[in-house]
Amino acid sequence: DAGVTQSPTHLIKTRGQQVTLRCSPKSGHDTVSWYQQALGQGPQFIFQYYEEEERQRGNFPDRFSGHQFPNYSSELNVNALLLGDSALYLCASSLLTKTGELFFGEGSRLTVL
Amino acid sequence: GNSVTQMEGPVTLSEEAFLTINCTYTATGYPSLFWYVQYPGEGLQLLLKATKADDKGSNKGFEATYRKETTSFHLEKGSVQVSDSAVYFCALTTTGNQFYFGTGTSLTVIP
Repeated sequence: DAGVTQSPTHLIKTRGQQVTLRCSPKSGHDTVSWYQQALGQGPQFIFQYYEEEERQRGNFPDRFSGHQFPNYSSELNVNALLLGDSALYLCASSLLTKTGELFFGEGSRLTVL
Repeated sequence: GNSVTQMEGPVTLSEEAFLTINCTYTATGYPSLFWYVQYPGEGLQLLLKATKADDKGSNKGFEATYRKETTSFHLEKGSVQVSDSAVYFCALTTTGNQFYFGTGTSLTVIP
C-alpha cells in the first residue's frame, strides 16, 4: 500500500518564478492538505482540498493556489516566488470522515534564490 | 486563536532514561490533541492522540494526557531507546481540517 508520495523532492527556483508541486494521497484517502514548514519551525497550514474544492485556507496569500484532480491527487502552485517561500512543502492526506489522522509525505524542498 | 507551544530542544538522553517533552496549547473551542513524530528521512507520522479532556493517548510506550485545566499535553516515555531519536511535534485541531503544530523538539538518544 503506497503512502503519500510527493514530487519533486528537491527543486531550486529564482525569485519571481512559478513552481508546481505534486502529491498523490494514500490509497483510499479523499482529502489532501498542504503545509509549509520553514527551517526550524512546525508545519503551517496552507489549504485543504476535498472533492476538487478548497475547503479551508490558512493565512497564505493568493500567490499560493492549488488543485485537486478526480483521482484525489493534488497540486500546489506558488507564483511570483519570494526568498521567504524557501521551505519544505508537505502534503498530507486523510479521510474526510475520519478526522484527526493525517498521513504525510516526505515533502518537497523548495529553495528560492 | 489557536496555537501550540512546545518545549525547545534539542534534547539528548541516555538510553533507558525518562523522557518528558512539554506541550501547552491555546484554543478556541474544544481541540483534539496530537503528537506526531518525524524519524530521519521519513514523513511525519501520528504517534498518539486524545480527543477530550482527561483522555490518555498511548503508543509504542509513549503516553500523553489531555489536561484541560493546565491546557497541556506533555509527552512521556519511561525508558527511551536509540530508535526513539526523532523530531516530535505537538499539534491540535478544532475543526479536523486545519492542524496547528508546535515548532518541534529534536530528541537524540545515545547508547
